[in-house]
Amino acid sequence: KAGVTQTPRYLIKTRGQQVTLSCSPISGHRSVSWYQQTPGQGLQFLFEYFSETQRNKGNFPGRFSGRQFSNSRSEMNVSTLELGDSALYLCASSLGTSGRAGHEQFFGPGTRLTVL
Amino acid sequence: AQSVAQPEDQVNVAEGNPLTVKCTYSVSGNPYLFWYVQYPNRGLQFLLKYITGDNLVKGSYGFEAEFNKSQTSFHLKKPSALVSDSALYFCAVRRPRTGGFKTIFGAGTRLFVKA
Repeated sequence: KAGVTQTPRYLIKTRGQQVTLSCSPISGHRSVSWYQQTPGQGLQFLFEYFSETQRNKGNFPGRFSGRQFSNSRSEMNVSTLELGDSALYLCASSLGTSGRAGHEQFFGPGTRLTVL
Repeated sequence: AQSVAQPEDQVNVAEGNPLTVKCTYSVSGNPYLFWYVQYPNRGLQFLLKYITGDNLVKGSYGFEAEFNKSQTSFHLKKPSALVSDSALYFCAVRRPRTGGFKTIFGAGTRLFVKA
């Protein structure tokens, strides 16, 4: 079974631009979560989507948004990029409909975004 | 507010010796606890989890972790370290009551295993 895939793997943008990152979960997984990883802040939760609906949201400004499609694929968008948005963006998918079942998350390799 | 603390930025251990990576948490209720490992230029890989039941849980690659409710700790252990265990380790917590998969991660502990 294929793992979580993320595209692109590397991205270089300039301040003020916008960017869209894509994530394809493991087949059969309906929950997709996004995390931002930076050396200073570590891993921070951005948002989670389930059945095309945002179910949880972290403490990020409105410039960060996402969506999920009917095939569970997800995209996240960052508008008006800032230097501080440079990070590794990780996508994770999970089996099951609820986190209460205790399923772990499966992570993709990430998209390394550099903002110049 | 829920939080996860990994008090050591780095742990150094010689190959063949036992290793411990520490984790404490501050979360109300009965959280779910996880350990993940990250190798360079890779995403996170799941190692093990505590949901309920036996306090000692066993996971991948010979790792185990002990849940201690009174000390709110979930330390990762391995009886005999390998050089290939060198990586970045994350402790994580999830509150089942949130209903989703939102997970809070510790800052990470870098493990160096010397040959």
